[in-house]
Amino acid sequence: DARVTQTPRHKVTEMGQEVTMRCQPILGHNTVFWYRQTMMQGLELLAYFRNRAPLDDSGMPKDRFSAEMPDATLATLKIQPSEPRDSAVYFCASGIDSSTDTQYFGPGTRLTVL
Amino acid sequence: AQSVAQPEDQVNVAEGNPLTVKCTYSVSGNPYLFWYVQYPNRGLQFLLKYITGDNLVKGSYGFEAEFNKSQTSFHLKKPSALVSDSALYFCAVRDPFSGGYNKLIFGAGTRLAVHP
Repeated sequence: DARVTQTPRHKVTEMGQEVTMRCQPILGHNTVFWYRQTMMQGLELLAYFRNRAPLDDSGMPKDRFSAEMPDATLATLKIQPSEPRDSAVYFCASGIDSSTDTQYFGPGTRLTVL
Repeated sequence: AQSVAQPEDQVNVAEGNPLTVKCTYSVSGNPYLFWYVQYPNRGLQFLLKYITGDNLVKGSYGFEAEFNKSQTSFHLKKPSALVSDSALYFCAVRDPFSGGYNKLIFGAGTRLAVHP
């Protein structure tokens, strides 16, 4: 049963520290999405990759967030420096490139910035 | 603006009764509509989608949804609710201006509580 995996599942850090979240998309999928979920804002799309290239990061705060895909099996989302307002659950999802593809979500990383 | 509305924050249903979770949308052109479910401390799981064709779409776990173009709705239904259906349900629509990829606009979510 193919699944998207994310590490770590939980992260508690102090303000100002760097945070790196990792995602392994489903083998064979060539699209990756990063989302942030909060009670106030709901689900927000942060970034979208196709064939490892970032095609849309308009939802991502540029000054402190960065997203990369070093290879087809790994996507990373970094926050540097982290702030308390970054506390949220971060989801990665993967899919097969099409205009109607289903996105398969990972279990999420719950980030708490103190 | 493209949007999705889920008018109910919470829906309460007795086990064995039919359930409906409502969703309405506002989008340019033909909508591509999706339902996802989120169990506690889990990621979203795909339930079903409407792209074209039959207005009644059948999905996972016995769920179905009916696309109604005139009412711009895509309500999620199940004939007989289970306690295990208790979860957070999200309706989503593809952003038609996303430049060709499946950028989804999610509703705020509806919490379904099924009571024994």
